[in-house]
Amino acid sequence: EAQVTQNPRYLITVTGKKLTVTCSQNMNHEYMSWYRQDPGLGLRQIYYSMNVEVTDKGDVPEGYKVSRKEKRNFPLILESPSPNQTSLYFCASRPTGGYQPQHFGDGTRLSIL
Amino acid sequence: ELKVEQNPLFLSMQEGKNYTIYCNYSTTSDRLYWYRQDPGKSLESLFVLLSNGAVKQEGRLMASLDTKARLSTLHITAAVHDLSATYFCAVDSFNNDMRFGAGTRLTVKP
Repeated sequence: EAQVTQNPRYLITVTGKKLTVTCSQNMNHEYMSWYRQDPGLGLRQIYYSMNVEVTDKGDVPEGYKVSRKEKRNFPLILESPSPNQTSLYFCASRPTGGYQPQHFGDGTRLSIL
Repeated sequence: ELKVEQNPLFLSMQEGKNYTIYCNYSTTSDRLYWYRQDPGKSLESLFVLLSNGAVKQEGRLMASLDTKARLSTLHITAAVHDLSATYFCAVDSFNNDMRFGAGTRLTVKP
């Protein structure tokens, strides 16, 4: 089954404790992206990647890091999480070219205390 | 920089009524997408519109694209409760990066 898998689905942690949210897709898609969703603000893009070893900032990259060492994986790293990073996070992927919609993961709800 | 604006942001409808959600974007693009999100769920692709004048329909929803006006509409016909959800439009920028509108939260009341 074609899917985007995020882990963990839920996480409560404390300020300053490094965390990683993993994202993996099994569709051989080149493009992958991370969004955060906050009430009233819609989906805001954090980072995106056009292909392996190619990443770029979205609208709200501060406080986040990403890497794209393999095509299928695109982890989101919070080196020193803060309470304002409490949010619902989505990973998505799509093939480049062919004008396909993005496929979204189920989301990760992060609470930073 | 590509900006995508949706309105209204909140929409409360009576069952059986018609309404339209609007999506405006700021730079040239001929690729527009509509998604649906149910509460607590992920986003699901509804429509892909790839050219000026494109129209797609699925059940009570119909989406159209006017690339000259940089406007897409999502029209709801004879709304039913099952259509209650948040609807997002999204647009591809020049480098195939996808940007989303803020979403329209639709509530259909009996």
